[in-house]
Amino acid sequence: AQKVTQAQTEISVVEKEDVTLDCVYETRDTTYYLFWYKQPPSGELVFLIRRNSFDEQNEISGRYSWNFQKSTSSFNFTITASQVVDSAVYFCALSEFGAAGNKLTFGGGTRVLVKP
Amino acid sequence: DVKVTQSSRYLVKRTGEKVFLECVQDMDHENMFWYRQDPGLGLRLIYFSYDVKMKEKGDIPEGYSVSREKKERFSLILESASTNQTSMYLCASSLIRGGIRGTNEKLFFGSGTQLSVL
Repeated sequence: AQKVTQAQTEISVVEKEDVTLDCVYETRDTTYYLFWYKQPPSGELVFLIRRNSFDEQNEISGRYSWNFQKSTSSFNFTITASQVVDSAVYFCALSEFGAAGNKLTFGGGTRVLVKP
Repeated sequence: DVKVTQSSRYLVKRTGEKVFLECVQDMDHENMFWYRQDPGLGLRLIYFSYDVKMKEKGDIPEGYSVSREKKERFSLILESASTNQTSMYLCASSLIRGGIRGTNEKLFFGSGTQLSVL
């Protein structure tokens, strides 16, 4: 069975600090997809990134970057120069290719608090 | 923009009541999902549906049922609500590319329904 672990339950930083969120996953499949979602205080989850298991290239989008390492089954997320608006709960998720209905398995989430 | 609408933001019910949570999406998505979110446990999948009248159990289906009579609407039913079903319920939808076992597209979520069972 697939599993996603986010060991950090809460991280508190001061504005402009960098913050890295860890995500470790387990799957028997060789083809799978990894996702990150952000849940701001309003409650609605917002998609951030989707990565397939064959693409290990790191990705940067503005202040966000992702480090995918298949050898360690990790898909870590870094926010550079954090801002108060980054305060939210962040979820890592895993979806196995070919699973009917494309169900996603989520980690427990990491709450990020950015203080001014 | 895709919109996923959940009928209620907050709901308070009594133990033993039958509860209906409604979800509607407006982008013709094949997939629809119901998750519950509890502190420290993340999102756990209750049921999902990849087509009208089709449903699949997720990881925690016990005590729940679903209905998908129309493509845009996916209902979650608590046949006899219990206090351990107090939770935040999230509905989501997504496109499938390449058939029901095809590639995974991103999920779009509703704002959630906070259900309290007293």
